[in-house]
Amino acid sequence: DADVTQTPRNRITKTGKRIMLECSQTKGHDRMYWYRQDPGLGLRLIYYSFDVKDINKGEISDGYSVSRQAQAKFSLSLESAIPNQTALYFCATRDRALGTEAFFGQGTRLTVV
Amino acid sequence: EDQVTQSPEALRLQEGESSSLNCSYTVSGLRGLFWYRQDPGKGPEFLFTLYSAGEEKEKERLKATLTKKESFLHITAPKPEDSATYLCAVFTGGGNKLTFGTGTQLKVEL
Repeated sequence: DADVTQTPRNRITKTGKRIMLECSQTKGHDRMYWYRQDPGLGLRLIYYSFDVKDINKGEISDGYSVSRQAQAKFSLSLESAIPNQTALYFCATRDRALGTEAFFGQGTRLTVV
Repeated sequence: EDQVTQSPEALRLQEGESSSLNCSYTVSGLRGLFWYRQDPGKGPEFLFTLYSAGEEKEKERLKATLTKKESFLHITAPKPEDSATYLCAVFTGGGNKLTFGTGTQLKVEL
């Protein structure tokens, strides 16, 4: 089983719909991140969380919200999806020790029509 | 402002033709530079971490090096299975966030 699991893997939704992307991890890390990836723009940080009570906005948080339900679970919501939110979304986790690498899930391909 | 720039955007090599990918960075206080490999439709896979200028890491045909301004990923005698996008990232925001470059798409042909 993967250490960082994202669900769903693929999703097509209509403009205006609310959608939730889920991430769970078995690595025991306290830091979790949500990124989106677009061609030519690379990976951009949406939100990150250091523990259940500590959630921070990244560089492109507008139109998104997150919930850290437990240390192992971090969900990303699009309250009212719009077509320019069509992208590949990745969840990542990292140990709190400074300088350690991040581990990524397999991604969720989201299409908003 | 912290920045990470990778070049070239795309690179096509013949099998066995060695080359280097570049990652230049501008950050206030480097706490770690990371190289990842990403295959199409999959999540980035960790390759190396470099912490200080002069440091080198190797793994099979890959070798990563670090200076005060840039990092290189050297690929020696590449094979078609090395074809992927290679991403560079640095810690920013006091070590709390990973900031990525846009990647180099490598294709190795027979």
